[in-house]
Amino acid sequence: EAQVTQNPRYLITVTGKKLTVTCSQNMNHEYMSWYRQDPGLGLRQIYYSMNVEVTDKGDVPEGYKVSRKEKRNFPLILESPSPNQTSLYFCASSLSGGASPLHFGNGTRLTVT
Amino acid sequence: AQSVTQLGSHVSVSEGALVLLRCNYSSSVPPYLFWYVQYPNQGLQLLLKYTSAATLVKGINGFEAEFKKSETSFHLTKPSAHMSDAAEYFCAVSDRLNKFYFGSGTKLNVKP
Repeated sequence: EAQVTQNPRYLITVTGKKLTVTCSQNMNHEYMSWYRQDPGLGLRQIYYSMNVEVTDKGDVPEGYKVSRKEKRNFPLILESPSPNQTSLYFCASSLSGGASPLHFGNGTRLTVT
Repeated sequence: AQSVTQLGSHVSVSEGALVLLRCNYSSSVPPYLFWYVQYPNQGLQLLLKYTSAATLVKGINGFEAEFKKSETSFHLTKPSAHMSDAAEYFCAVSDRLNKFYFGSGTKLNVKP
């Protein structure tokens, strides 16, 4: 089954403790991206990647890191999480960037205390 | 940067009534346009995509959207609402830099 898999689904952590949210897709998509969803704000793009070793900032990249060492994986790293990063995070992929529709994972709900 | 405006954070209709969800975008150059639906505790699913082949785009589950360049709008409609249409709907645009921008979402409530 074609899918985007994110782990974990739920994560509670404390301020400053490094964490990684994994994302993997099995559709051989070129494009992968991360979003955060906050009430009343919709989804905002954090980072995106057009190809292996190519990453670019979205609208809200501060406090986040990403890497694209393999085509199928695109982990999101919070090196020093803060409470304002408490949010619902989505990974998504598409065949070829902005012209193609995004396929979303089921989300990761992160709480930073 | 693009911006996407969805008028009405909550819309309530009766079952069988017309659904109209509004979306306006900011760019003077028509970007790529999408509508997504989100059911509780799930990721977003594609409803439809504007491809520039036709201004009226048909999607899944009876939804359609009309692209109006002069109004920079891409409103979503469905002639007859079903209870199963209750969800949150997001309009999105992408630009030539492959960045995606989403509206703030509209929660659709369908009354029996």
